[in-house]
This record gives sequence, C-alpha cells and structure tokens, in this order.
Amino acid sequence: DIVMTQSPDSLAVSLGERATINCKSSQSVLSSSNNKNYLAWYQQKPGQPPKLLIYWSSTRESGVPDRFSGSGSGTDFTLTISSLQAEDVAVYYCQQHYSSLRTFGQGTKVEIK
Amino acid sequence: EVQLVETGGGLIQPGGSLRLSCAASGFTVGSSYMAWVRQAPGKGLQWVSVIYSGGTTYYTDSVKGRFTISRDNSENTLHLQMNSLRAEDTAVYYCARETIGRYDSWGQGTLVTVSS
Repeated sequence: DIVMTQSPDSLAVSLGERATINCKSSQSVLSSSNNKNYLAWYQQKPGQPPKLLIYWSSTRESGVPDRFSGSGSGTDFTLTISSLQAEDVAVYYCQQHYSSLRTFGQGTKVEIK
Repeated sequence: EVQLVETGGGLIQPGGSLRLSCAASGFTVGSSYMAWVRQAPGKGLQWVSVIYSGGTTYYTDSVKGRFTISRDNSENTLHLQMNSLRAEDTAVYYCARETIGRYDSWGQGTLVTVSS
C-alpha cells in the first residue's frame, strides 16, 4: 500500500496568517500517462463528513475559497491556506488515488493561535 | 442535488454481522465508483473499500475476506456486508462517490460499535 505521511500533526496559526501542511507519499503518485498527480486534500470539521478541497494536487474544487491552494508533484505535496480564517479550523487530510487501494494521511489539525 | 444517506449502523457483539446501506439520489450508483471510508472515534480517515462501475472491487487488507461491498442498481443503493466483526471495526462508516479517484460527495455517516 502507498503510505501517506502528513506533517505536522497539528499547528496553530494566527488569524490572517499562512498555514502550511505537508504530505509525503511512500511512492510517486504522478501518472506518466497524463502527467497528473493523483493526490487530493480534504477538510473535516467536527461532527461533519470530510469535504473535498483540492484534487490533481492543485485543482480547487468548485466553491472552495481561493485562499486554499495545493502544490507539489511526485511524492511531496503541500496544502497552503494563505490567510487563515476562523472557519478554517478543522482537520485536513491528503489522499492518494494512484493505487487501487486508496489511502489517507493521518490528518493535520489546524487551530487558531 | 447529489445526496448520500447511510443506514444500518448500531451496537453489535464481536463476531457478529451487520449490513450497511447507502441510498443515493441525484446520480446513478451503478454508473459511478462508490466507496466506504471509516473513522474510528477520535481517529483519522481510513479507506475501506471501493466498487467500480464495472463491478470490480477492492478492500483494505484488514477487512479483506470479512467485508463485501455491493450495490443494488434498482434501488440506487450501495451496501457493505460486514462479517466477523471485531472491536477495531468500531467507527463511523461513510459512503462516498468517487470521481476520478477523489471523493466529491459524502454521506453523514453511520456509527458501528462492536462491543460485548
């Protein structure tokens, strides 16, 4: 299975400041056939199901604020919240869909400092 | 509007069986990739199983041979048959629609508690 490892496990950021979450896969999730990274990011707030934010490592899902951005390729990826808002407090997960056996990272909890 | 509603969770003794259902609306289950993802209390997300539109299925190792994913196209419903349940299967189980590998629609989840 492809193991997804996120860092840090948690972070506290001041309102309006930048939050950066990293995700590393145990093998490349870049497809040579279409040059796309099979990597998605989700946000989960307490008591709610996850919500898709980013797919293909950097494509924002419809309706997601542009303060959320994704980057990276191969095995190393980053989710950036450019200016943290109070409603962004949540746990964030990366997920690979390169392998038929999909896997998630362990999650990163984002809080307000 | 796409909607997914899970049912069937509850308290079950170790070794028991349970069948989860996920009723879909706004799209056709039989033409989609559909998955189950679970979340143990206070823990992260764990991918459990997927069924492709063509019927191919995959499972995470820890449930292989015990869980079976299926769908009823006439009812537009996804199922997860869970046998030989263990304490470590305790979780909220979400069904999700998979679109080119990403999960763009999720249900609210159903809680399965395996305990004596």
